[in-house]
Amino acid sequence: EIVLTQSPGTLSLSPGERATLSCRASQSVTSNYLAWYQQKPGQAPRLLIYGASSRATGIPDRFSGSGSGTDFTLTISRLEPEDFAVYYCQQYGSSPRTFGQGTKVEIK
Amino acid sequence: QVQLQESGPGLVKPSETLSLSCTVSGYSISSGYYWGWIRQPPGKGLEWIGSIYHSGSTYYNPSLKSRVTISVDTSKNQFSLKLSSVTAADTAVYYCARSSSCDYWGQGTLVTVSS
Repeated sequence: EIVLTQSPGTLSLSPGERATLSCRASQSVTSNYLAWYQQKPGQAPRLLIYGASSRATGIPDRFSGSGSGTDFTLTISRLEPEDFAVYYCQQYGSSPRTFGQGTKVEIK
Repeated sequence: QVQLQESGPGLVKPSETLSLSCTVSGYSISSGYYWGWIRQPPGKGLEWIGSIYHSGSTYYNPSLKSRVTISVDTSKNQFSLKLSSVTAADTAVYYCARSSSCDYWGQGTLVTVSS
């Protein structure tokens, strides 16, 4: 089973700032099948990025994903008020699919 | 517009079987994709339960495999989850989703295990 470790646990930033979230895998993610999700309280997660770097339909271009192998990054170039939420990474290249523990992006 | 909707009892007694269905609209399950279940205990992170391919092939989380069954009914455009011998640790919001990269999600349904 691939263990995904996200860091930091909490990121305190102001609107307009840049957010950089990390997801590290315990072994290489097959075909870079790595996704990022955003979850707000009381809502289902929303797919942001798939295949490590492809934006899902309707996702603003301030969200970008990068990385390969075991190290992946989600970058939010300029935080908007609606971006404060919890973010999860997930690998879907091997079974069982696994999620990271999440990074909370909070308003400073 | 693809939409998924979970349905089933919100309260299940310990040792009984949790049963949920996910109804898909806007896309025919038989056309392709994996269809999966994910859960989230209150205040905690996401856990993948398992997936089923439109052909019926299944993949389960080894931690739950002995208790989980996922099935598909293409005539109703639904897929279902059964989790047996539940305990309080199975209390969670249960989500259904399309595809291994979960591009579409249901709104989630809270299932509480309690006597």
